Amino acid sequence: DAGVTQSPTHLIKTRGQQVTLRCSPKSGHDTVSWYQQALGQGPQFIFQYYEEEERQRGNFPDRFSGHQFPNYSSELNVNALLLGDSALYLCASSLVDRKHNEQFFGPGTRLTVL
Amino acid sequence: AQSVAQPEDQVNVAEGNPLTVKCTYSVSGNPYLFWYVQYPNRGLQFLLKYITGDNLVKGSYGFEAEFNKSQTSFHLKKPSALVSDSALYFCAVRDGPNSGYALNFGKGTSLLVTP
Repeated sequence: DAGVTQSPTHLIKTRGQQVTLRCSPKSGHDTVSWYQQALGQGPQFIFQYYEEEERQRGNFPDRFSGHQFPNYSSELNVNALLLGDSALYLCASSLVDRKHNEQFFGPGTRLTVL
Repeated sequence: AQSVAQPEDQVNVAEGNPLTVKCTYSVSGNPYLFWYVQYPNRGLQFLLKYITGDNLVKGSYGFEAEFNKSQTSFHLKKPSALVSDSALYFCAVRDGPNSGYALNFGKGTSLLVTP
């Protein structure tokens, strides 16, 4: 049973560029959340997708956008990259919308902005 | 608003000794509480959760946590630490069934178990 997978593993971009990160949820899961984990910090919630729509958004600017596909996989897009966007980006999946359900995390994509 | 505090940046314990990693929370309603562990260059792995019921929750790898409503705490414990338990531990909270869907994480506690 495949867990949450993310691609790419690492990414290096320069300021002003755009990046797309990809996530496939755990088998049977239909909800995908994205988190940003800066060095030495806990993960910060970016947004969550369910039924191909953004259901909740954290305190992140509009440069951060996402998408969920019919097969439940998801993309995170970041435009006009800033140095401060350098972080580990984590995707998490869960089943339906039960808030007591734990989220299962992927290994993350390490983004470095130069 | 919901939040979590992990007051210790690092916890050091000798192998075989009991360990405790502290977490306190702040919510307006009844909390859903979670513990995750992160190994270097890895994502977060779920350890255990408290939703309702028994205040002592047992989880993966011999870990357990005790929910204390009066002290608003959810400390992670293990009776006998292993060197392989060395990792970064995160406590997270949701403000019950009427909250949003985001998990709110603490800043993490680094656990170092020495042989």
